[in-house]
Amino acid sequence: AQSVTQLDSHVSVSEGTPVLLRCNYSSSYSPSLFWYVQHPNKGLQLLLKYTSAATLVKGINGFEAEFKKSETSFHLTKPSAHMSDAAEYFCVVSDQAGTASKLTFGTGTRLQVTL
Amino acid sequence: DSGVTQTPKHLITATGQRVTLRCSPRSGDLSVYWYQQSLDQGLQFLIHYYNGEERAKGNILERFSAQQFPDLHSELNLSSLELGDSALYFCASSPRYSTDTQYFGPGTRLTVL
Repeated sequence: AQSVTQLDSHVSVSEGTPVLLRCNYSSSYSPSLFWYVQHPNKGLQLLLKYTSAATLVKGINGFEAEFKKSETSFHLTKPSAHMSDAAEYFCVVSDQAGTASKLTFGTGTRLQVTL
Repeated sequence: DSGVTQTPKHLITATGQRVTLRCSPRSGDLSVYWYQQSLDQGLQFLIHYYNGEERAKGNILERFSAQQFPDLHSELNLSSLELGDSALYFCASSPRYSTDTQYFGPGTRLTVL
């Protein structure tokens, strides 16, 4: 079974400083990996997706993630945090077989951005 | 806005009751997924329908059932409700060309009193 582990349940950064949200995955084959963001009282928004085309994936709102097979990691980064980035972030792995696909979510990392 | 719609936004009911949650996928998407988000269990996959057929089941209780209709909208039926069923229920849909890229609706918050 595939799984993801988000290494920090809570991260706090100052506005304008870099963001690093850590995620390790476990998969028996090359996985599809995602980052989703959930703002308070909102649904889940897809930030970016990795599917083996390129190890560095650029997403929306200045976020990017790097797939490192040797480290089984898929960390999410942003060079400069903005107050609007404060939200819950989920690292996700896909278990796909034909037209059936199941997403397995990490436990989430709450990002706090302070002035 | 993902293009996935869910109704109602909020639902408050009593233990033992039955409720129906509704989801309309993005235009053109054939797949609908249901997820439950609770404080103790996190986000969990419940069930997946593709063009009216059930394709995958996750941690869905026997008291819960779902279906996808010919117009591709889906309903999640929750019966004999318990306090522990209080959660956010999300629906997602995915395009035919990338079934693992899922777009989520705003969710239905269910409160069981």
